[in-house]
Amino acid sequence: GAVVSQHPSWVICKSGTSVKIECRSLDFQATTMFWYRQFPKQSLMLMATSNEGSKATYEQGVEKDKFLINHASLTLSTLTVTSAHPEDSSFYICSAREAARPGGYTFGSGTRLTVV
Amino acid sequence: AQSVSQHNHHVILSEAASLELGCNYSYGGTVNLFWYVQYPGQHLQLLLKYFSGDPLVKGIKGFEAEFIKSKFSFNLRKPSVQWSDTAEYFCAVSPSSGGYQKVTFGTGTKLQVIP
Repeated sequence: GAVVSQHPSWVICKSGTSVKIECRSLDFQATTMFWYRQFPKQSLMLMATSNEGSKATYEQGVEKDKFLINHASLTLSTLTVTSAHPEDSSFYICSAREAARPGGYTFGSGTRLTVV
Repeated sequence: AQSVSQHNHHVILSEAASLELGCNYSYGGTVNLFWYVQYPGQHLQLLLKYFSGDPLVKGIKGFEAEFIKSKFSFNLRKPSVQWSDTAEYFCAVSPSSGGYQKVTFGTGTKLQVIP
């Protein structure tokens, strides 16, 4: 079945540094990837939608310059949290849509980011 | 580590039929439970969630789910489906204690409603 690998699964970084999170579709081509964020005790919130080869579409309230999303290939999308601060600590998860299977979405295992 | 199992991968129903999608989880502690829906071409949307309290949770669009702790289940129900309910449905679980906790998703159930 379709597998999405998200890396790293857990990262701790110092305030002011940048962190890159990778989302890879291992056995299918992902034309669209979604990036979500989960706050404690809440459900996932969509941050942005990225289509291969084009700029990501960000949800209202999400800072584009803070959360850089790149979807350079059909199997890889990255989310970079720039100049991270403690309030960016959260759980980030990606989801990839398989081009050959309309409506089929697979989730990564998520990344827990802690900024100290 | 927690895990989620959704028993039905693909469900086909006629309009007005009743719906029940199964979801079982495994985890040694207390959990938060979610059902999400993803319509074709759209991103994930929250249908309903359970954190604590009444185990029968009512969500949007007429959906409800019941948390049965003894069975580790959180089945999604709707008494009468509509064509517009055609979508993929994901059950998810996260530990309820602590701060930023990992959410684990089931593999999803694709629902197709026939007019």
